[in-house]
Amino acid sequence: DSGVTQTPKHLITATGQRVTLRCSPRSGDLSVYWYQQSLDQGLQFLIQYYNGEERAKGNILERFSAQQFPDLHSELNLSSLELGDSALYFCASSVGAALRNTEAFFGQGTRLTVV
Amino acid sequence: AQSVTQLDSHVSVSEGTPVLLRCNYSSSYSPSLFWYVQHPNKGLQLLLKYTSAATLVKGINGFEAEFKKSETSFHLTKPSAHMSDAAEYFCVVSDRRDKIIFGKGTRLHILP
Repeated sequence: DSGVTQTPKHLITATGQRVTLRCSPRSGDLSVYWYQQSLDQGLQFLIQYYNGEERAKGNILERFSAQQFPDLHSELNLSSLELGDSALYFCASSVGAALRNTEAFFGQGTRLTVV
Repeated sequence: AQSVTQLDSHVSVSEGTPVLLRCNYSSSYSPSLFWYVQHPNKGLQLLLKYTSAATLVKGINGFEAEFKKSETSFHLTKPSAHMSDAAEYFCVVSDRRDKIIFGKGTRLHILP
């Protein structure tokens, strides 16, 4: 158990809908990262927050947004869902801000299926 | 621009024989390089990382990797494979702005 908690574990929704994925980082970790893993795109980094502020941005679509709250949990909001958004969404957390200086611990993921 | 290429999508080795998973990178800056492992239905776990210190990096579970700038490679090795090493392995590059790029992954199969 990495200490990173993601809810829900599974989510099935229809195209055009909006969902929210939640991540609780390990106790004491200030950084939260979001990743998407799909069969066609592989693993992609979406976005990172550090202590409530956006720190780094990857291949995150405009239909997606994220935030980190004062208690350091994070939410990833996915809207106007398309079939191609079906994927495993991972959250990771770390103490530090830069991966080269810290270690990220991953949650078990939320599997999103868009039908 | 950064990129990372894992040269083999699948590698099969017999238990007790050496493992070699190949990774080449491209980066405009001095990169940080990582290897992560993903077991079925699990999140990723860091095996090891290179961040401009020693070029030979030792990780967990007997894995190590060597950073070779002249070859732009960061291959992952292990002297003797164990059945529990069967998993998917990802090579990752991160630049000074912490933009993170994953390789496509190499699935390692261990034959009894």
